[in-house]
Amino acid sequence: DGGITQSPKYLFRKEGQNVTLSCEQNLNHDAMYWYRQDPGQGLRLIYYSQIVNDFQKGDIAEGYSVSREKKESFPLTVTSAQKNPTAFYLCASSKDRAGANVLTFGAGSRLTVL
Amino acid sequence: EDQVTQSPEALRLQEGESSSLNCSYTVSGLRGLFWYRQDPGKGPEFLFTLYSAGEEKEKERLKATLTKKESFLHITAPKPEDSATYLCAVPTTDSWGKLQFGAGTQVVVTP
Repeated sequence: DGGITQSPKYLFRKEGQNVTLSCEQNLNHDAMYWYRQDPGQGLRLIYYSQIVNDFQKGDIAEGYSVSREKKESFPLTVTSAQKNPTAFYLCASSKDRAGANVLTFGAGSRLTVL
Repeated sequence: EDQVTQSPEALRLQEGESSSLNCSYTVSGLRGLFWYRQDPGKGPEFLFTLYSAGEEKEKERLKATLTKKESFLHITAPKPEDSATYLCAVPTTDSWGKLQFGAGTQVVVTP
């Protein structure tokens, strides 16, 4: 079945550590996205990529980094510069731009800073 | 600034008790409004896209409608399996590659 796989599902990080969240899709979608979700808040866009080797900052990119070396993969690194990283992270993809096409989401990764 | 506001924040319904959720938006030149359903601890799932005022879409007990300033998600005779958080989103004015999401309405349907 086609879909988006995020790993790990749960991740614990000590302060000062970088961690990388994996996102893989087999939908042959061009665009991929990373969102952050906090309790009581809407999804906030971290980074998005509409083609391989190109990506744009979203609304809350500070303290995060991404790469898009392959169409299928869009890993997110949460760096030590992110002051409040505890959150639920969602990866998504769309056939084309998010406004033109439906987003398909992964199951999410929950990051907790100890 | 593009904004999406959903109300109420939470809704508790008895099984069979119909109700409506509201999504109001401020964006120049609406290019679609999306509804998603999110179960606890999971990623959102797509429900509907609406493009023009007066448009309606239905799926089982859910019906979405759109006006020039807001959208409603009507839940008719809900069942416990309709319990979820319902999110709406619109493409932002500055980039059609981005969606602005509301905070969601958490719906709990009790037997």
